[in-house]
Amino acid sequence: IAGITQAPTSQILAAGRRMTLRCTQDMRHNAMYWYRQDLGLGLRLIHYSNTAGTTGKGEVPDGYSVSRANTDDFPLTLASAVPSQTSVYFCASSDGVAGGPDEQFFGPGTRLTVL
Amino acid sequence: GQNIDQPTEMTATEGAIVQINCTYQTSGFNGLFWYQQHAGEAPTFLSYNVLDGLEEKGRFSSFLSRSKGYSYLLLKELQMKDSASYLCAVQDSNYQLIWGAGTKLIIKP
Repeated sequence: IAGITQAPTSQILAAGRRMTLRCTQDMRHNAMYWYRQDLGLGLRLIHYSNTAGTTGKGEVPDGYSVSRANTDDFPLTLASAVPSQTSVYFCASSDGVAGGPDEQFFGPGTRLTVL
Repeated sequence: GQNIDQPTEMTATEGAIVQINCTYQTSGFNGLFWYQQHAGEAPTFLSYNVLDGLEEKGRFSSFLSRSKGYSYLLLKELQMKDSASYLCAVQDSNYQLIWGAGTKLIIKP
């Protein structure tokens, strides 16, 4: 593993199904993030984690949950998918050190379609 | 509310110079980032400004005026590979990134 990986690359899902998007980083970054990106809108933060064992809600958390059991992994779960959750999902990580440029590194994304 | 504004799309000619503007209104300011995103790919970091002035990095430069809530990204000697979306993002008082919708830059030969 080099950097940050996501799985699956793409998925078509029936509405009402449960789905977990996986994210793993090997940079020992403290902070991790989940964004969704929709056409015409900026990246919108769903959930974040400043360090292992803690999580927080972003701008659009409804319908999503996360966990951070260890430093490397940050899965995103859709409990019961709805068509409005059709989007491209990006996982990102950063050192999480306040007071300086906290550059975020992004995974390749998961393209999710909910029918 | 928090708001980041950038033009939706710009067109420029190979070899020329283009300036992409970004204005922002956020709750607090802890730096401004520019990212590049090629179609179908992840965003990648280009630059960071936290003090007023110009930061130069090869063909790319980024400028910040905190009093005006304004930044621009300047791309010189444009190449076809510079065709991408350019995302402006501001780190707010909670150190969260607030993102603009991005500017799609089209380079013509």
